[in-house]
Amino acid sequence: DGGITQSPKYLFRKEGQNVTLSCEQNLNHDAMYWYRQDPGQGLRLIYYSQIVNDFQKGDIAEGYSVSREKKESFPLTVTSAQKNPTAFYLCASTLTGNTEAFFGQGTRLTVV
Amino acid sequence: KQEVTQIPAALSVPEGENLVLNCSFTDSAIYNLQWFRQDPGKGLTSLLLIQSSQREQTSGRLNASLDKSSGRSTLYIAASQPGDSATYLCAVNEEYGNKLVFGAGTILRVKS
Repeated sequence: DGGITQSPKYLFRKEGQNVTLSCEQNLNHDAMYWYRQDPGQGLRLIYYSQIVNDFQKGDIAEGYSVSREKKESFPLTVTSAQKNPTAFYLCASTLTGNTEAFFGQGTRLTVV
Repeated sequence: KQEVTQIPAALSVPEGENLVLNCSFTDSAIYNLQWFRQDPGKGLTSLLLIQSSQREQTSGRLNASLDKSSGRSTLYIAASQPGDSATYLCAVNEEYGNKLVFGAGTILRVKS
């Protein structure tokens, strides 16, 4: 089955620690996205990538980093510079920049 | 800057009712608009995608309309069922930027 796989489902981060969230897709989509969702708010764009080896900052990129070395993979690192990282993180992909978006099942990150 | 607003924020209806969810956006320069469903703690499931040149799209009991010039879209759900209970999100894909901008969502509860 084609789709987007995010792992882990739950992640706990200690203060000052970097953590990496995985996102893999087998839809052969060119574009991939990372969103953050906080309770009662819409999704906010962190980073996106239209093509391998290229990515752009979204609206809330501070404290996050990404890489796009393979078409199928778009990992997100939450660095210690992100002061309020507790949230639900969603990865998405589209065939091109303006086509239907498909989402993974999300990773819930909690700071302990 | 594009802003997307969804009204109402929450809605509770008895089973069998027809209902309308509203979405408005401030900048009419969009490629398309997409409606999603999100169950608690889960990712987003795409329901309907309306291109900017289209007026409406239908899928089963769901009908979405788009009035691009006035910056409005509605999602009509016919004969609601308890299984329709979820958060419904709309998102616009901007002509420039190749990214989705989301509303905060409408939380729907259908009572049996």
